[in-house]
Amino acid sequence: AQKVTQAQTEISVVEKEDVTLDCVYETRDTTYYLFWYKQPPSGELVFLIRRNSFDEQNEISGRYSWNFQKSTSSFNFTITASQVVDSAVYFCALSGGFGNEKLTFGTGTRLTIIP
Amino acid sequence: GAVVSQHPSWVICKSGTSVKIECRSLDFQATTMFWYRQFPKQSLMLMATSNEGSKATYEQGVEKDKFLINHASLTLSTLTVTSAHPEDSSFYICSARDSAGGTYTQYFGPGTRLTVL
Repeated sequence: AQKVTQAQTEISVVEKEDVTLDCVYETRDTTYYLFWYKQPPSGELVFLIRRNSFDEQNEISGRYSWNFQKSTSSFNFTITASQVVDSAVYFCALSGGFGNEKLTFGTGTRLTIIP
Repeated sequence: GAVVSQHPSWVICKSGTSVKIECRSLDFQATTMFWYRQFPKQSLMLMATSNEGSKATYEQGVEKDKFLINHASLTLSTLTVTSAHPEDSSFYICSARDSAGGTYTQYFGPGTRLTVL
């Protein structure tokens, strides 16, 4: 069975601070995919990143960066120089490969950026 | 690219009526679409997996006769909540898996907020 744990329920930081959202996963699959989605107050889930289990290279996209470590089964997300527009609920999710594509979501982390 | 639309964005109906929600992939083909339900301040709960041209696969505990799913084309899936009751009030979100290139990314629609009076 797959499981995703986001231990941080809510985080508040002052604008311009850096913030890291934690994600720990469990799976028995050798091939799997990890995702981060952003859900702003409007409700729509916005795709941020996909990582496959064979690619541990960290990724940076603007102010966003992701740290994937198979040794600790973690896929953490860091926002640098946070902005008010970053306020949202962030979900980490896990799926298997072909034929096992259902997404298992974490419980989400509500991030509030204080102006 | 990878845009998914949902219609309607919100609906209010009387108890006992049926409500149909459409999910469309606008710029890609999706052989597989998924339907989720989300309660306030909670995570997404997968209801069913919809495959084009075949019957949907429902998650345990989801009544297939109450939540009818049809995936008639590569760009359209519909969810019909039959004989809706107040406990069916929720935020329903669909996603579509991009079939091209072997990616397994699900792109989500904006959601439909259903309120049953």
